[in-house]
Amino acid sequence: DGGITQSPKYLFRKEGQNVTLSCEQNLNHDAMYWYRQDPGQGLRLIYYSQIVNDFQKGDIAEGYSVSREKKESFPLTVTSAQKNPTAFYLCASSNLTGLGNQPQHFGDGTRLSIL
Amino acid sequence: SQKIEQNSEALNIQEGKTATLTCNYTNYSPAYLQWYRQDPGRGPVFLLLIRENEKEKRKERLKVTFDTTLKQSLFHITASQPADSATYLCALDQGSARQLTFGSGTQLTVLP
Repeated sequence: DGGITQSPKYLFRKEGQNVTLSCEQNLNHDAMYWYRQDPGQGLRLIYYSQIVNDFQKGDIAEGYSVSREKKESFPLTVTSAQKNPTAFYLCASSNLTGLGNQPQHFGDGTRLSIL
Repeated sequence: SQKIEQNSEALNIQEGKTATLTCNYTNYSPAYLQWYRQDPGRGPVFLLLIRENEKEKRKERLKVTFDTTLKQSLFHITASQPADSATYLCALDQGSARQLTFGSGTQLTVLP
C-alpha cells in the first residue's frame, strides 16, 4: 500500500541533544512537508520541499533542519537550539500537478518529549 | 494579521443529527479550502477540497460550502454516527507557494 511512514512513533530527547525524525513516502509525490502540532493549536509549518535537494523554511523553522537527498525521504532534525521541542510532529506529502493545492497525505506522527 | 478560526473547540451532538462546523478566516483570499479529519494520535486525513468559484461540494454524508464574501466555510455531516467523532481541521491555501495554513480544529463528539 502507498503511504507515508514516520518513525519512531515516540522519541525522547535529552537536554543539548539533536534528534532526527524519519519520514518516507512511496506515493511518488514531489512535495513534502513537516508540521508541528501543539495541544489546542493548528498545524504549524516547519519546512517544506518541492523538489530534491531544495527546501524552504516555513513559519517556525528556527531550531530545526531538514534535508531532501532523495524524493522519497525528508528527515527532520530537531536541534538543541529548539528550546521547546515537546510536540507532535507530522510529515506530509502532495502532488504538485495541476492548479492550486492538491490534498496532503499525512503520516501518523512522531511524539517528541524532553527527558 | 491573517487568522483562521474554527467554531468552539468542542461540539457534541446526538446520533442521527446534522453536525455543522464553521471555519472563518480574515486577511486571506484563498483560492482553495480543504477539510481534514484527525483521530487521536493519528495524522489528518483529507476529506474534501472546495474552490473559490464553487459554492458547495458534496461527498456521501459530507457537504462543504464556501462563501468568499462572508469569508466562511461550513462543513456538514448529515445523519451523524458515533464513528464520525474526531477533530476536524480546515486549511486554506497560500496560493502559488503550495502551502496550507490550518485552523486549530473542532473536536466533534457524536453521542449514541
